[in-house]
Amino acid sequence: DTGVSQDPRHKITKRGQNVTFRCDPISEHNRLYWYRQTLGQGPEFLTYFQNEAQLEKSRLLSDRFSAERPKGSFSTLEIQRTEQGDSAMYLCASSSRTGGEETQYFGPGTRLLVL
Amino acid sequence: GDSVTQMEGPVTLSEEAFLTINCTYTATGYPSLFWYVQYPGEGLQLLLKATKADDKGSNKGFEATYRKETTSFHLEKGSVQVSDSAVYFCALLTGGFKTIFGAGTRLFVKA
Repeated sequence: DTGVSQDPRHKITKRGQNVTFRCDPISEHNRLYWYRQTLGQGPEFLTYFQNEAQLEKSRLLSDRFSAERPKGSFSTLEIQRTEQGDSAMYLCASSSRTGGEETQYFGPGTRLLVL
Repeated sequence: GDSVTQMEGPVTLSEEAFLTINCTYTATGYPSLFWYVQYPGEGLQLLLKATKADDKGSNKGFEATYRKETTSFHLEKGSVQVSDSAVYFCALLTGGFKTIFGAGTRLFVKA
């Protein structure tokens, strides 16, 4: 089992550019989540997929953010026209509901710096 | 709305000292409770969990008990090691899908 993987691990971009991050969940997990973590804070929920369906989006996810999970496997998170305030760690997690219980397993994150 | 409050850090201890990191929560219903740990430069790792009242989660010498009456889930370890230095996050799972995290508590363990 390789766990949740994310790519790239680090991204530096200039303000106004578009960036895209990828997340590969644990293979048997049908649920996938994106969180954002800023320095000194806990992660904050952004969005959630069950299979390919995006079921919930946080108000933190502005119109410049879009997430997809086209075949119910990997997911991408795109940020258009990046702003300095987008600088953060973007975490992906996956889970499956087993026996009524759910635990989310996190990837290593993609650290974004917008200059 | 649902929330998690944990003690502010940093917490600095000497090796083999006793550790307590306090965590309280506010939630409707009966959330599952978690402690995650984040080592420098790494993502979150699940440390332990408890899914119902009076459950005790334990792992790697760490323990936490789900106390519904005090809405608490305090993390304890009897004897910390330098390798335990990390940031610890208390969290709850609400609505069946959203994990809500506390702000994190940084632990430094000195040799």
